[in-house]
Amino acid sequence: NAGVMQNPRHLVRRRGQEARLRCSPMKGHSHVYWYRQLPEEGLKFMVYLQKENIIDESGMPKERFSAEFPKEGPSILRIQQVVRGDSAAYFCASSRGQNEKLFFGSGTQLSVL
Amino acid sequence: AQRVTQPEKLLSVFKGAPVELKCNYSYSGSPELFWYVQYSRQRLQLLLRHISRESIKGFTADLNKGETSFHLKKPFAQEEDSAMYYCLGVGTASKLTFGTGTRLQVTL
Repeated sequence: NAGVMQNPRHLVRRRGQEARLRCSPMKGHSHVYWYRQLPEEGLKFMVYLQKENIIDESGMPKERFSAEFPKEGPSILRIQQVVRGDSAAYFCASSRGQNEKLFFGSGTQLSVL
Repeated sequence: AQRVTQPEKLLSVFKGAPVELKCNYSYSGSPELFWYVQYSRQRLQLLLRHISRESIKGFTADLNKGETSFHLKKPFAQEEDSAMYYCLGVGTASKLTFGTGTRLQVTL
């Protein structure tokens, strides 16, 4: 079991471009969580998804950000028209079920030029 | 609103000194609480969860419902304990809330 895989590890985008971050949960895990770690700040919850459903997106900015977790394939965090303030480390975690142990990916470092 | 507070951004202790990383929570109902650790350039990993009441790497954490706290303690700090520590609460509907993290720095 390869663990939670996130790619790319580093992503550089110019202002106005789109960023797509991928997260493949551990085998057998159907719950995925996305977090953002801004420079000098802690982890902030963004969104919680189960297969094909968004359960809680209360931490997602209202505009430009979206997330999905399709029946097949990885979970995608999509940021449209990126701005410098989107530069951060984005972490994904997965679990087998509610309140079960979270396993984290290594994160994607997004840099917006 | 669910909230997890880690009041210290940085905690610096000498090797061999006791460590206490503070975590306070504000939840309706009974949350489940965890401590996660992130060593330099590594993934976040689970350190402790309150329901298991175990000791990992010499760390313990007791849930104090009266004080709504879940402080992480270790009697004698080691250099390899230097890392970022996050307190996490899980409330209703699996809503996860992280504290802002405390960087533990153990010096000789």
